Parts: sequence; structure tokens; C-alpha cells
Amino acid sequence: EAGVTQFPSHSVIEKGQTVTLRCDPISGHDNLYWYRRVMGKEIKFLLHFVKESKQDESGMPNNRFLAERTGGTYSTLKVQPAELEDSGVYFCASSRVNYGYTFGSGTRLTVV
Amino acid sequence: GQQVMQIPQYQHVQEGEDFTTYCNSSTTLSNIQWYKQRPGGHPVFLIQLVKSGEVKKQKRLTFQFGEAKKNSSLHITATQTTDVGTYFCAGLNYGQNFVFGPGTRLSVLP
Repeated sequence: EAGVTQFPSHSVIEKGQTVTLRCDPISGHDNLYWYRRVMGKEIKFLLHFVKESKQDESGMPNNRFLAERTGGTYSTLKVQPAELEDSGVYFCASSRVNYGYTFGSGTRLTVV
Repeated sequence: GQQVMQIPQYQHVQEGEDFTTYCNSSTTLSNIQWYKQRPGGHPVFLIQLVKSGEVKKQKRLTFQFGEAKKNSSLHITATQTTDVGTYFCAGLNYGQNFVFGPGTRLSVLP
């Protein structure tokens, strides 16, 4: 089966600009997660979709971050406006219920 | 909230030596998972432990879940250079989402 695909792999934007990250989960995986790793620190949870519904968005840092999952398929994570502290690697993962997560390769976001 | 800690933060070993990383949760876990992330890569799922006191082996890797389901360990026997990377544990607190530990970065010197 195809893995979790994330796009773009790298993004460099200026402070104040908008960036949209995309994640295509494994087909049939209802659960989709966004995580991020900042400055080599721990992988921190952002939010969890079950199909198109937000199951848990307690990890979203502030209202500059907006995640959507149209039709329960792919998901987007928009950062608007981006700040310097948003730089890091954003990982998407998908899973079936009670299985290990399959992570995408991540999007390395650099805000300058 | 739930916290997951790992020690050590870094470990440097000679090739052939053993390596162990420990994972501790502030709350009782329903499941624990282990992931490996190679430098520049993304986390790759290794294993999931569910039962109290469970021990699972994958070749040179031995995973253990504590009796109280609050801690876990990953032991690698006779490390190889291919074992280099960061090992993360992720704990699931019943009904919530997995919380990742900060990881243990392993370096293996040839």
C-alpha cells in the first residue's frame, strides 16, 4: 500500500506569510494526526481527525493554525500568518484503530 | 496533563555494545508504542505493547512494558551502525491520543 504522503517536503517563507501543508493518508485510514517537532525537541501532538471530524485539537498552539480534512480524505494544515517560532518539521500520520501510526516524511517549515 | 519522559537523552556506544532506553509516563498507559527515526527521516513504527509485563522481541531488539503499565524499555543487543537514530516511545492514556517522549538519540561508533 502507498504510504502517507506530505507536500511540500520543504517550505521557506517570510514571517507574516501564509503556508499550507498537505497530507494524504493511507487509503482506508480513518485516523489522521498532525504532529510537529520544533528545534529537535519532542514530537508534539497538534490534532487528530477521525474521518472528517476533529476528534482532538488540544495541541493546536493558537488560532493562526487551521486544519481541515475535506471529505475525510486528505488534510491540510494552514499557518496564517506564520511566525518565526512556527519553524520545525510537521509530520502527518495515519492509522487504523488501535494500530501503530504510519508517519509521512514530514514538511520542514522554515520561517525567516 | 500526561507526560512521557525518556532517559537517556543521548547515548554513544561502541559497535557491538548493548543499548537501553527507558520510557516513563506520569500516568498509567493503555498502550505504548516505539518508533525509530533515522537522521533526516521520519518516525517509523517499531512495535506496540498492550499487556502489563509484556515482553516482545524483534531480532536484536527487546521491548518491555512494566507491570504497572507506566514504564517501558527498549534494549538493543550488540548494536550495529544501522541502529543509529532517535528512538521515541509514545504512550496512550486511555481514550486519548498518543503522547511522544522526547526521544533517545543513539550514536554507534564503528
